[in-house]
Amino acid sequence: AQSVSQHNHHVILSEAASLELGCNYSYGGTVNLFWYVQYPGQHLQLLLKYFSGDPLVKGIKGFEAEFIKSKFSFNLRKPSVQWSDTAEYFCAVNTGGFKTIFGAGTRLFVKA
Amino acid sequence: DVKVTQSSRYLVKRTGEKVFLECVQDMDHENMFWYRQDPGLGLRLIYFSYDVKMKEKGDIPEGYSVSREKKERFSLILESASTNQTSMYLCASSSQLGLAGTNNEQFFGPGTRLTVL
Repeated sequence: AQSVSQHNHHVILSEAASLELGCNYSYGGTVNLFWYVQYPGQHLQLLLKYFSGDPLVKGIKGFEAEFIKSKFSFNLRKPSVQWSDTAEYFCAVNTGGFKTIFGAGTRLFVKA
Repeated sequence: DVKVTQSSRYLVKRTGEKVFLECVQDMDHENMFWYRQDPGLGLRLIYFSYDVKMKEKGDIPEGYSVSREKKERFSLILESASTNQTSMYLCASSSQLGLAGTNNEQFFGPGTRLTVL
């Protein structure tokens, strides 16, 4: 069965630290990949997406992610986090059907 | 802007009650979804619909049913609420047919936090 694995459930960083959140999926075919973010008290929203082309994808608020097909990975990065990046981050994969599979989420807490 | 609205932000119900959660989207999307979100489990798909009156079970449909009488509205029904259905319920919609390699981003509502006592 297809699955999405997020490596860390909780991450605590100080402001200006670099961030990398891991995401791996299990599926050998064509995929659409997403990172969604949920800020405290807000609804889930799209951070960035990959569906074709350049495997390095830039999103909102300085986030980027790199699709490495050989590693089945889509890790999220940000060079310098801010307190306002405190949120829960979800990696998601669509393999061509109607269903999108979400990871368990990573809660990021940024200390001011 | 795509807008997905849900009828309630917070709901408290008693065990055995019938519960209706309503979701409306204003972008003429074909696909609509109901998820539940629980800590450490991410989002799990309950049901989805790809057209009016069409519905498909997701990964955890037990104890739930859905209704889609109009394109813009997708309802989740708990026939007899139980305490293990206490959760955050998220509605989402998307416009594509779910083809890999195309943009099938989902747009989410604010969620309904349901507590069953």
